[in-house]
This record gives sequence, C-alpha cells and structure tokens, in this order.
Amino acid sequence: GDSVTQMEGPVTLSEEAFLTINCTYTATGYPSLFWYVQYPGEGLQLLLKATKADDKGSNKGFEATYRKETTSFHLEKGSVQVSDSAVYFCALTQAGGSYIPTFGRGTSLIVHP
Amino acid sequence: NAGVTQTPKFRVLKTGQSMTLLCAQDMNHEYMYWYRQDPGMGLRLIHYSVGEGTTAKGEVPDGYNVSRLKKQNFLLGLESAAPSQTSVYFCASREDRGRNYGYTFGSGTRLTVV
Repeated sequence: GDSVTQMEGPVTLSEEAFLTINCTYTATGYPSLFWYVQYPGEGLQLLLKATKADDKGSNKGFEATYRKETTSFHLEKGSVQVSDSAVYFCALTQAGGSYIPTFGRGTSLIVHP
Repeated sequence: NAGVTQTPKFRVLKTGQSMTLLCAQDMNHEYMYWYRQDPGMGLRLIHYSVGEGTTAKGEVPDGYNVSRLKKQNFLLGLESAAPSQTSVYFCASREDRGRNYGYTFGSGTRLTVV
C-alpha cells in the first residue's frame, strides 16, 4: 500500500535559518502531494500542494517540489520565524475511491528567537 | 466564518460513560472524516462518510459509531468509553472533486477518559 515517510523531529532552528523537512513516499500511479501544518492546540491546515511531477507548491514562504524520480516532496523555507513553530505533515492522495489521504507521522519544528 | 466546527472542545468522561462528538461543516462538502491523534501515532482514521446517509469504517473503528443523517453534520459516538479512547479527535471534510483537493479540519476535541 501507499506510505509517506517524514524525517523524525523535533527540528530545532534559530530564527532566520533555512528549513528543510524531508518527505518521501511510496505509491502506485500519480498521487497528489500535500503539506499540512498544525499549530499548537489547533487542527491541521492545508499549507501547500502539488498535483503532478515537477510542480512546485508554495505558500507563506514555504515551497515543495514534486519529484517523481526520487519520490520526494521536501518542504523548504528560506528564513524561518518563531511563528513557524508547529508540526508539519506530509500527505498523498490517490485518484478515485473516497480520497482518503495517507499521512506521514508529522515533524515538529521549534524555532528559537 | 466558513469551515468545520467541532463541539465540544474539551470533555472528561468516566469509564463506561457515553458521549457524542458533533462535527458541522457549512461548505457543502460531500466527504467527512473522523480522526484521532495520539502522541507518536500520527493521525488515524476512525470512520468516514462519502455523502449523506453513508458511513464506512476506517483504520481504527472499534468502540466508535457514526451517523451522517444530514449532509452538514457528522456525529461520532462512544457507547462505553474506555481509557484507551483518551485522545484528540479531529473532524475533516472535503469536496468531491478529485484527488487534487485537500481537507479542511476542525480545531479538535480533547477527550480524557478516567
């Protein structure tokens, strides 16, 4: 079956540092790929998505590129802020059926001033 | 504001008690889902619905029941609560428009069973 693997956290950075959170996937066909963010005490929010190979999703300074050759969708941000401290989830959705995503376990990001 | 609303936000139950968690969405979404989130376990799907009057089991359905009598509401019931059901419960919904659309999540219900 499909699976999503994320780097284990927590990832701890200083403000203005560069962020990479790795995500790789195993899937048949051509899934859509997503990043969700969960701030403390809140539900998950869709951060960005990419729907086909070589697409780049972007939002709020975050970017991720759909790399079919390496089955990866790594999340990057050039300069993190304290307010980016959250848990980040990578997910994929296949066509058809009930569109139930396959989620990664989540990666906690802690940004210090 | 449009979105997914979960009630209650917090609840403490005694073992053996019952309760119902309500999820309401005002976006006319066809698909609705209930997840539980536990430390180190990520998100696990409990039950889901692909339209009014339909329900289906997810990954961890035991001990839970659901109903979708109205399109906008998805109820999660615990008939006899157990400490293992202590968790944070999230409801989500999405449009029936293909794989390219993501979920909209509620803000969660934190349930403690003592």
